[in-house]
Amino acid sequence: SQKIEQNSEALNIQEGKTATLTCNYTNYSPAYLQWYRQDPGRGPVFLLLIRENEKEKRKERLKVTFDTTLKQSLFHITASQPADSATYLCALLMNTGFQKLVFGTGTRLLVSP
Amino acid sequence: DTGVSQDPRHKITKRGQNVTFRCDPISEHNRLYWYRQTLGQGPEFLTYFQNEAQLEKSRLLSDRFSAERPKGSFSTLEIQRTEQGDSAMYLCASSVLGSEQFFGPGTRLTVL
Repeated sequence: SQKIEQNSEALNIQEGKTATLTCNYTNYSPAYLQWYRQDPGRGPVFLLLIRENEKEKRKERLKVTFDTTLKQSLFHITASQPADSATYLCALLMNTGFQKLVFGTGTRLLVSP
Repeated sequence: DTGVSQDPRHKITKRGQNVTFRCDPISEHNRLYWYRQTLGQGPEFLTYFQNEAQLEKSRLLSDRFSAERPKGSFSTLEIQRTEQGDSAMYLCASSVLGSEQFFGPGTRLTVL
């Protein structure tokens, strides 16, 4: 069966440390992988997109890696801040002609001062 | 602010009633999506429009659900004969080809 797995337990880290979130998928062949941030009661906000032929993408304090052999993406936030506390969603974008997004369940990140 | 807007933000209804939600996408975006999200889960795809054409519907979208985008601008999602299992956050998103999806704030539906 098709699955997108993110750690369902919250990740607690101290301010200034690097947060690393994992997204594993099975039985999908995505064209792209995206990461979104979601705050309580709000819609997801796009952060980064990485294509299947890209290994790594960076944007400011964010870094995403994409290993299509392992079927895994890692999402890193360096020098984390309490304002980074949110739920982070991994989403696979299928090459089906209309770009359907399939989301993981998300991982909640808590950054303590 | 020219982001995606949704109305209402919250809706409480009794089982069996009909409800309608509205989504106004970013004006130059020709693609519009509806998703449903329940607590602790990621958004689940419901349906997709390219301009006014509804091109894809999930099997999650039972015959009680209908969506329209009459002029290729705003969209409505109607749920008829609501059930308690319909309680969720309904999210709308818009995009242009090959780019990220921009989500609205969602409509939280509670069916009593």
